Amino acid sequence: GALVYQYPRRTICKSGTSMRMECQAVGFQATSVAWYRQSPQKTFELIALSTVNSAIKYEQNFTQEKFPISHPNLSFSSMTVLNAYLEDRGLYLCGARLQGNSDYTFGSGTRLLVI
Amino acid sequence: QQKVQQSPESLSVPEGGMASFNCTSSDRNFQYFWWYRQHSGEGPKALMSIFSDGDKKEGRFTAHLNKASLHVSLHIRDSQPSDSALYFCAASEHVTGGYKVVFGSGTRLLVSP
Repeated sequence: GALVYQYPRRTICKSGTSMRMECQAVGFQATSVAWYRQSPQKTFELIALSTVNSAIKYEQNFTQEKFPISHPNLSFSSMTVLNAYLEDRGLYLCGARLQGNSDYTFGSGTRLLVI
Repeated sequence: QQKVQQSPESLSVPEGGMASFNCTSSDRNFQYFWWYRQHSGEGPKALMSIFSDGDKKEGRFTAHLNKASLHVSLHIRDSQPSDSALYFCAASEHVTGGYKVVFGSGTRLLVSP
């Protein structure tokens, strides 16, 4: 079956430092990858949509300068949270989509705590 | 304003009861609707999709879509304690490069034995 693994599951970083999180699609080719942040209140914010061989599209309030994303092939994507502060805490979810599908398969997320 | 509004925020039903969730969208660009379920410590998992007007039944789960009013609902009959989780409706639209999925605010379901 189609699975998405995210690493690390949980991370703590000091305010002002950066951390990188990874997303691996297993069992299918992830034509598109969507990165979301789920707030402590459980609401979802789309950070960016990345499609292989296309430009990465960031949503309003999210920038490449703050959340650089790499999507080098059909099975892997990574995102870095640069200069993390308290407001960046949350569960970062990676959703991978197979070409032709309209839904995403999500990983279990990387929970970011900032101290 | 959120593009996908979901209600209720939380719901408590007895085991064997019916749980119902509702979502209304404000964007007619949305073409596909999904229900996701998220258990504690996990990412959301797609429960079922509905793309056409009317009802779609999968086991104990029934989704209903009214495209004219952009209203989608999910009903769980014979609810089980294992159904306790966060439920999210999601709407997707085709954008350059793929599909954009927008989630509702979620409903926390508690099924008590």
